[in-house]
Amino acid sequence: SAVISQKPSRDICQRGTSLTIQCQVDSQVTMMFWYRQQPGQSLTLIATANQGSEATYESGFVIDKFPISRPNLTFSTLTVSNMSPEDSSIYLCSVRQGNSYNSPLHFGNGTRLTVT
Amino acid sequence: GDSVTQMEGPVTLSEEAFLTINCTYTATGYPSLFWYVQYPGEGLQLLLKATKADDKGSNKGFEATYRKETTSFHLEKGSVQVSDSAVYFCALSDLSGGSNYKLTFGKGTLLTVNP
Repeated sequence: SAVISQKPSRDICQRGTSLTIQCQVDSQVTMMFWYRQQPGQSLTLIATANQGSEATYESGFVIDKFPISRPNLTFSTLTVSNMSPEDSSIYLCSVRQGNSYNSPLHFGNGTRLTVT
Repeated sequence: GDSVTQMEGPVTLSEEAFLTINCTYTATGYPSLFWYVQYPGEGLQLLLKATKADDKGSNKGFEATYRKETTSFHLEKGSVQVSDSAVYFCALSDLSGGSNYKLTFGKGTLLTVNP
């Protein structure tokens, strides 16, 4: 399966600042996703990162708050903008190898963000 | 819409005990089903999957059978180890998710295994 590297692995940020999280995959993948896992909660899909076009956001998430880039088939970034303590979460990059809904997602180790 | 319901945790067992974590789902289509595991401080790892009715997914001594009639995908292990302590997530992927086939996750079940 694909090896997914995320960085930073953790960060503590001040309110009002922005943080960009990078996701690098060791092979080309069609589908890349960004999830959020709030403390003690399940995973919520933020958006699908589309190569060469704007990301597709889920309900409740907007581009101004979570801008996403995907310049090629192996790399994506997620920015958490104008952060508040409510943004404290684990942010996870994931990829699907293959185009079938039977194909599982593979996850990076996540970025643990604390906003003070 | 699609949803996944897992048994509430936390679950605490002694080593070598039998484990069951219940998972039921609702889906508009014919989903594929997955169990993921998250060890402390790590991301999610795929544990096992099943793509059609009566399929049994298995890995590392864990098993789950896709039961369409009861819309369930319960996770079982005959003898747990301390190293199995983790959070377990049930998830589904359905054609109703559109071309992205996003995963819908349950809330997760924390398992603690004591020596």
